[in-house]
Amino acid sequence: GAVVSQHPSWVICKSGTSVKIECRSLDFQATTMFWYRQFPKQSLMLMATSNEGSKATYEQGVEKDKFLINHASLTLSTLTVTSAHPEDSSFYICSALGGNPYNSPLHFGNGTRLTVT
Amino acid sequence: DAKTTQPTSMDCAEGRAANLPCNHSTISGNEYVYWYRQIHSQGPQYIIHGLKNNETNEMASLIITEDRKSSTLILPHATLRDTAVYYCIVRVMNSGYSTLTFGKGTMLLVSP
Repeated sequence: GAVVSQHPSWVICKSGTSVKIECRSLDFQATTMFWYRQFPKQSLMLMATSNEGSKATYEQGVEKDKFLINHASLTLSTLTVTSAHPEDSSFYICSALGGNPYNSPLHFGNGTRLTVT
Repeated sequence: DAKTTQPTSMDCAEGRAANLPCNHSTISGNEYVYWYRQIHSQGPQYIIHGLKNNETNEMASLIITEDRKSSTLILPHATLRDTAVYYCIVRVMNSGYSTLTFGKGTMLLVSP
């Protein structure tokens, strides 16, 4: 089955630093990748959508200058949290769409737990 | 995307069938019903999806009513590892792509 790998699985960083999270589709080409965020005891919230080779589309309320997304290839998208603050601590999850866009499920990575101290 | 309504939580005994309902009364003709589950601190796992016919795979069965206003996910023999939050999502397929909008889901607790 389709596998999406996310790295790192957890990271602790100091306030003011930047953190990069990688999302790779291992056995398929992902024309579109999605980034979600999940706070404790809440559901997943879509942050942005990225298409290979073009700028990401951000959901309302998500700062594009703070959450930098790069989708440089059909198998790799990165999310960089810049100048992280404690309120950015969350569970970040990527997903990838491959195959027939009309009838293909999204496959998710296992998430990255970010803790900002 | 159409809104879905699911019970907040359900219990099931190990070995029994778990039947998880979902209402999606405003679903449109081009919207698929998707089911995912999320085990604690992991990414969502795809289970099954369908448009109007019932579907079955190695994980579960999906029963969609004829009017498509509701559906039921069936785990035929629940195990302790099936304890998770189950999300029912309706997803419209536009040209290009579409994403998934997650609701609150149903917390399924499978007990010995």
